[in-house]
Amino acid sequence: DTEVTQTPKHLVMGMTNKKSLKCEQHMGHRAMYWYKQKAKKPPELMFVYSYEKLSINESVPSRFSPECPNSSLLNLHLHALQPEDSALYLCASSPRTGGGRSPLHFGNGTRLTVT
Amino acid sequence: GDSVTQMEGPVTLSEEAFLTINCTYTATGYPSLFWYVQYPGEGLQLLLKATKADDKGSNKGFEATYRKETTSFHLEKGSVQVSDSAVYFCALRSNTDKLIFGTGTRLQVFP
Repeated sequence: DTEVTQTPKHLVMGMTNKKSLKCEQHMGHRAMYWYKQKAKKPPELMFVYSYEKLSINESVPSRFSPECPNSSLLNLHLHALQPEDSALYLCASSPRTGGGRSPLHFGNGTRLTVT
Repeated sequence: GDSVTQMEGPVTLSEEAFLTINCTYTATGYPSLFWYVQYPGEGLQLLLKATKADDKGSNKGFEATYRKETTSFHLEKGSVQVSDSAVYFCALRSNTDKLIFGTGTRLQVFP
């Protein structure tokens, strides 16, 4: 069982819709991540939150808007997406930031389809 | 910049065969190294890790040794099972928040 929980598991949305992906962890981790994974590719980093502050934004388009309401929750707000944004969106958490020794713990992802 | 190179897949094996998936890395300093596994339709699971030179990570019969002299972290298993069929990612983390992944290697094990 994964300790990082993502909802929903699947999401289909039109290009004019607004939706949100949610992620929750109760391991006391202070770093949380959003990754995007296309089929047969490795995950690509989108955002990192460190102690609830955005520390890394990998030049992600503004139609993706992250939010970290508290140390256990991470959201990704979606608006006006394109079909090429269809992918598996993975959330991860880590006990430390900048320390380099700790692994990331991943959720099972949200499979997003944009029609 | 930091990078990870993995062998191209797919790797196709019969059950009980020996597995090696090669991984080499380029990094400044002394990164931590990881192997993640992704089963179909799921997220990534940490398989094993090593944080310094000569460390051996092991889990579920899989092993990998952190070799600084050859900048390698090859994944091995003595006897694979059909249930090991998945995609395996080698990854490194230096003194940043970023986890750098290799391209992934698909393993297919047939009975």
